[in-house]
Amino acid sequence: DGGITQSPKYLFRKEGQNVTLSCEQNLNHDAMYWYRQDPGQGLRLIYYSQIVNDFQKGDIAEGYSVSREKKESFPLTVTSAQKNPTAFYLCASSILLGEQFFGPGTRLTVL
Amino acid sequence: GQNIDQPTEMTATEGAIVQINCTYQTSGFNGLFWYQQHAGEAPTFLSYNVLDGLEEKGRFSSFLSRSKGYSYLLLKELQMKDSASYLCAVGPNNAGNMLTFGGGTRLMVKP
Repeated sequence: DGGITQSPKYLFRKEGQNVTLSCEQNLNHDAMYWYRQDPGQGLRLIYYSQIVNDFQKGDIAEGYSVSREKKESFPLTVTSAQKNPTAFYLCASSILLGEQFFGPGTRLTVL
Repeated sequence: GQNIDQPTEMTATEGAIVQINCTYQTSGFNGLFWYQQHAGEAPTFLSYNVLDGLEEKGRFSSFLSRSKGYSYLLLKELQMKDSASYLCAVGPNNAGNMLTFGGGTRLMVKP
């Protein structure tokens, strides 16, 4: 089955710790994206990547980092520099200029 | 810059018709997407408009007017399961292959 997976579904971390969220896709999509969603809000773009070994900052990149070493994988690290990291994180992928397919999301809670 | 507006909340009755509007002002335009998102879940693709006019897909239709920067999503024969948030997204913009999302419209369907 082709799809996009994120793990874990729920994640708890102590304040000041870095945490990495996983995103994997087997749809052979070139582009991958990370969004943040706060309660009752829309999606805000954190980072995106159109090709392996290249990525661009989105609207709210501060306090986050990414890597794109493989086409299938686009992990997101939430660093201690992110002031308010508790949120729902969504990963998506697409062909270039195509509709985006979303993973199930990771709900991060920082205690 | 990018600016997308949608109503925050709407309420409708089971079996009725509801129209969710979206207006946008963007620096580039190559299509407008509608996504459905149930609480705590990932968004799922509903429709894509790149040319002016109405696209019909079962109980859901989407309309676009590029000259007016306006779109709507029309839901017919409402069912309780249609209670969800509906996200309008425009893209890609001139800065890259990204979608810009509106804040979403939370639709509550009542018996």
